Amino acid sequence: DVKVTQSSRYLVKRTGEKVFLECVQDMDHENMFWYRQDPGLGLRLIYFSYDVKMKEKGDIPEGYSVSREKKERFSLILESASTNQTSMYLCASRFRNPSNEQFFGPGTRLTVL
Amino acid sequence: AQTVTQSQPEMSVQEAETVTLSCTYDTSENNYYLFWYKQPPSRQMILVIRQEAYKQQNATENRFSVNFQKAAKSFSLKISDSQLGDTAMYFCAYLSGGGADGLTFGKGTHLIIQP
Repeated sequence: DVKVTQSSRYLVKRTGEKVFLECVQDMDHENMFWYRQDPGLGLRLIYFSYDVKMKEKGDIPEGYSVSREKKERFSLILESASTNQTSMYLCASRFRNPSNEQFFGPGTRLTVL
Repeated sequence: AQTVTQSQPEMSVQEAETVTLSCTYDTSENNYYLFWYKQPPSRQMILVIRQEAYKQQNATENRFSVNFQKAAKSFSLKISDSQLGDTAMYFCAYLSGGGADGLTFGKGTHLIIQP
């Protein structure tokens, strides 16, 4: 079974802190994704990565950056957390073929105070 | 940019009934993929069913089937013999056939199965 894990289920941070959200997958997937989920808005793509060292902006990249130093790990970074970044963050991974299923992690509910 | 619209924020049906969730999308592409994902209260997103746009035959997975109308850009999900465990948020999603881009999701439909 494919497993996508995220470092925390719940996280509380203060405004201005630097926040790292970690995602690890164990199936050698090339593509990895970070989404943000808000009530009434569905999921929106923040950043994605085709492969190691590669990254592409999604629909809402402002205020975020990412890092993919190893194939299995994709990190989302909030350089200076703000209250409007309070949200659920979901990581996903997939084999290269776009018809393939994206496998999601359990999500991190981040609260910025 | 592609958009995905789910016009039913919430639906409620009795157990064992059949329910249809609607989804429409807007695209100028000819090659793409459509998905339905389920997110139960546990928050784990699970793929329910997928459809390749070039396939005319509607996809089916056990009690789940889709009605894919390419010309109308419609992709509805039918759940037959609904069960309590079907209670969840359901998201319709679009993926361009061109590459490894992420999914474009609708806003979701909260489906409640009543005992």
